[in-house]
Amino acid sequence: TQLLEQSPQFLSIQEGENLTVYCNSSSVFSSLQWYRQEPGEGPVLLVTVVTGGEVKKLKRLTFQFGDARKDSSLHITAAQPGDTGLYLCARGTSGSRLTFGEGTQLTVNP
Amino acid sequence: DTGVSQNPRHKITKRGQNVTFRCDPISEHNRLYWYRQTLGQGPEFLTYFQNEAQLEKSRLLSDRFSAERPKGSFSTLEIQRTEQGDSAMYLCASSWTGTVNSPLHFGNGTRLTVT
Repeated sequence: TQLLEQSPQFLSIQEGENLTVYCNSSSVFSSLQWYRQEPGEGPVLLVTVVTGGEVKKLKRLTFQFGDARKDSSLHITAAQPGDTGLYLCARGTSGSRLTFGEGTQLTVNP
Repeated sequence: DTGVSQNPRHKITKRGQNVTFRCDPISEHNRLYWYRQTLGQGPEFLTYFQNEAQLEKSRLLSDRFSAERPKGSFSTLEIQRTEQGDSAMYLCASSWTGTVNSPLHFGNGTRLTVT
């Protein structure tokens, strides 16, 4: 059972457009990680957010952690074809494992 | 360091056969995780090790699945009497407990197809 809901599930946009994807839960996160996965590869960590209201930027990617630490968003400015991939949010659960959302499959068309 | 390595990259097997996958983690990492991922879904946790000890197993890990990490380095995941529903990408990841909010470093997975 996935504890994290990601939306939208699929997103197809044109190069140069902006987009936002969301990660939500009914429970509070102590921290949240965002990963990107390209076809045929494993997920790669983009960022970890820890503090409610925190905003982190990674080039054209902006990550925000909700004030109540129950949600997070990823905003991409001026998307490029290289941004294509599966974007996953993940939170720590019992023990030391991460639980992942189902992901947002992003396609950026040239 | 070349990162997490998984072998084979692809495996096609007939239903009922046994298969074994190998994972070589980043050498200084003491934790090793196995996840399963089906198309269009996020990875689902199967099990994890700290050094050689298997500390947690998911309900998804039926008795046909067994994982080992005998010397606290590489790990193997064996699936006995494979079923078509076992077809998936099997991902291995490693991490170091000494890092706050330790990120997982994933391998590129083994894609299993059961015919």
